[in-house]
Amino acid sequence: DAGITQSPRHKVTETGTPVTLRCHQTENHRYMYWYRQDPGHGLRLIHYSYGVKDTDKGEVSDGYSVSRSKTEDFLLTLESATSSQTSVYFCAISGPEQTQYFGPGTRLLVL
Amino acid sequence: DAKTTQPPSMDCAEGRAANLPCNHSTISGNEYVYWYRQIHSQGPQYIIHGLKNNETNEMASLIITEDRKSSTLILPHATLRDTAVYYCIVRTGNQFYFGTGTSLTVIP
Repeated sequence: DAGITQSPRHKVTETGTPVTLRCHQTENHRYMYWYRQDPGHGLRLIHYSYGVKDTDKGEVSDGYSVSRSKTEDFLLTLESATSSQTSVYFCAISGPEQTQYFGPGTRLLVL
Repeated sequence: DAKTTQPPSMDCAEGRAANLPCNHSTISGNEYVYWYRQIHSQGPQYIIHGLKNNETNEMASLIITEDRKSSTLILPHATLRDTAVYYCIVRTGNQFYFGTGTSLTVIP
């Protein structure tokens, strides 16, 4: 899948605990994205990064933070997980032509 | 606010062409149309994209109307493995706006 891995692939956590999801790429692409997907919705953008230490918010960024300290890794953090953040999270990368390529996803369940 | 409108579901007989429509009546001149598909709960898979000319690749053809307000994705010979949710997306800058897609079922 275009050199993108996500970890963990599945996670169960409790309300109020911090959670960090990792996206790793081997393509050296500048742009990286985090989306969430819920039943009845398409993918919705949470945050994206356009370079090391350069990030911006998407349409559903509340409750999430991101960090990118090196080109290959883009981290998504839920500071205090809530049940409404139960979802499938997808990471994507894009290169010079802006076509996005997606990772396999992380299923997160917040109890 | 979804920028595209697609029928929620469609069926297609195996071996026939699948024609998936998409309406993007508010598209602006520099916005591209992309098509992706998602099989089960896998990550979306890129199919094709275009700006105003028709495009073809090994997977599909993309037909964009002259006024750019709608487009059609054509899978020329649908197989059972093409059963998936197909998303028509308008790219604005670096951001993709997904709608809810069309669930295509290919029938044997």
